[in-house]
Parts: sequence; structure tokens; C-alpha cells
Amino acid sequence: EAGVTQSPTHLIKTRGQQATLRCSPISGHTSVYWYQQALGLGLQFLLWYDEGEERNRGNFPPRFSGRQFPNYSSELNVNALELEDSALYLCASSTGPGLTNEAFFGQGTRLTVV
Amino acid sequence: AQSVTQPDIHITVSEGASLELRCNYSYGATPYLFWYVQSPGQGLQLLLKYFSGDTLVQGIKGFEAEFKRSQSSFNLRKPSVHWSDAAEYFCAVGAGGGSYIPTFGRGTSLIVHP
Repeated sequence: EAGVTQSPTHLIKTRGQQATLRCSPISGHTSVYWYQQALGLGLQFLLWYDEGEERNRGNFPPRFSGRQFPNYSSELNVNALELEDSALYLCASSTGPGLTNEAFFGQGTRLTVV
Repeated sequence: AQSVTQPDIHITVSEGASLELRCNYSYGATPYLFWYVQSPGQGLQLLLKYFSGDTLVQGIKGFEAEFKRSQSSFNLRKPSVHWSDAAEYFCAVGAGGGSYIPTFGRGTSLIVHP
């Protein structure tokens, strides 16, 4: 069974540009979470989607947005990129809401803003 | 609000030695607690979790953790470390209901000397 897949693996953008990151959850998983892992800061929660709807949002500016498609895959968009957006972006999926449902993580997309 | 503190940024141990990684949490009720491991270039993998019941939890790869309510701690232990255990370790705490979003600590980097 395929795990959570993220694309691209690496992404280099210029300040002010837009970045689009993609996530395919494990088959049968309806919840998708996005986290930002900046150096030395641990994982910061960005967004949570379940059944196509945004369920919760972390403390990030509106230029961080996303969506979940009918097949439960998800996209994270970052507009007006800033240098401090450089980080590893991790996607996780689970079978649904609730912490008893284990979240499985992808390998991440390394975004570098120059 | 829930929070997690991992007081050690780096821990260095010799192969074969015992290991304890510290985690302290802040949360009013009984928390949901997790330990994840992140190997270089990889996503996060769940090592173990505590929801209720026995306060000593066994996980994968020979790891265990003990929930101590009086100390608000959930320390990770392993009796004998292997070189392949070198990785970043994250403790996380979640609320039982509501947001379903676990809060992660900043991580502890484990270095294993031969």
C-alpha cells in the first residue's frame, strides 16, 4: 500500500513568487494535515482538511492557503513568498478526525526561497 | 492552550548505552501524548502513543515511554541504543476533542557514537 506522497521533493522559488505543493493521502484517508518545519522550530500546524472542507487553521498569514479535492488529495499554496517561508513542508493523512486515528506523514517538500 | 517542551536540543550517547529523552507538556485535562521519529530526509514515523490506561507504553523499535501526570512528563526511553536510532525525535500533545490537532515540541536530535 502506498504511503503519503508529496510533490515536488524540492522546490526553489524567488521571493514574491507563488509556490504550490501537492499531497496524496493514503487510500481511504479523508483527513489531510499540513505542517511547516522550519529549522529549529519543530512542526508548526498550518491547515487541516477533512472531507473536502477546511476544518482548522494554524497561526499563519492568509497568503498560506490550500484546498482538498474530491479524491482527498490536497494542495498547499503559498503566495508572495518570503525568505522565511523556506522550510520543509510536511503533509500527513489519517482516516478521519480524532487523535486516536494515527496520522501518517509524507517525506515532505523542501521549499527554498531565494 | 496546550504546549510541549523538549528541553534537550541535542543528546549524544554511545551505542549500547541507555537513552532517555525528556518531554514536558502543558494541558489541563488528560492529554493524548505521542512520540515521533524523523530520520534524515524522511517524514515522521509514530513510535508510540498514550491515550489512557497503563502509564507505561511500549512502542516500535524497542522504545517505551512513561506518562507521569504529577510531573506533566512523557519521557521516551530505550535500554540500549543502536547507531540506526540517530534521528530527530518529536514529542506531541493533543486534546481529546475539538481541534484534533497535536502540538509538537521543537525536537531533540539524537547523536549516537560508535
